[in-house]
Amino acid sequence: GNSVTQMEGPVTLSEEAFLTINCTYTATGYPSLFWYVQYPGEGLQLLLKATKADDKGSNKGFEATYRKETTSFHLEKGSVQVSDSAVYFCALSGGNTPLVFGKGTRLSVIA
Amino acid sequence: EAGVTQFPSHSVIEKGQTVTLRCDPISGHDNLYWYRRVMGKEIKFLLHFVKESKQDESGMPNNRFLAERTGGTYSTLKVQPAELEDSGVYFCASSQVHQHYGYTFGSGTRLTVV
Repeated sequence: GNSVTQMEGPVTLSEEAFLTINCTYTATGYPSLFWYVQYPGEGLQLLLKATKADDKGSNKGFEATYRKETTSFHLEKGSVQVSDSAVYFCALSGGNTPLVFGKGTRLSVIA
Repeated sequence: EAGVTQFPSHSVIEKGQTVTLRCDPISGHDNLYWYRRVMGKEIKFLLHFVKESKQDESGMPNNRFLAERTGGTYSTLKVQPAELEDSGVYFCASSQVHQHYGYTFGSGTRLTVV
């Protein structure tokens, strides 16, 4: 079945540091890939998505590229801010199937 | 537009008791989903409603869980009787069309069974 593996946290970075959160997946066919973010006290928000191989999703300075050859969708940001502190979830969907999530990675950014 | 609303935000109950979680989707969204995150683990799908009908309930863990969506508006998820392993965060999401473009999620209900 479909599954998502993302790096365990927590991740603690200083402001303006470079961020990478690794995500790999297992799926049949051609899934769509997502990153969701949960800020403290809030619900899950879609951060970015990619629906086919080599697509790059981007939003709020975050980027992730759909790499079919390595079955990966790593999240990156060049310069993190304190306001980026949150839990980040990688997820996939195989069309009409429910979203499958990774375990989440907690990011703390310190000033 | 108002988002997806869930309540209560937190609930602490004793093992064996009953708890009912409620989700109010975005008005006009026919699709409503329940997900659950058990501590430290993945967010897992529970079930999917289209209007008042259960489209997919393959993720419901056992018959102690009962979800309803009378009238196709808000939904309730009842756990009866609750067990310790039911503790976690229960998320609800809604969408206008069943799609994988990203649903709108609520803030979740944190359930603690002691």
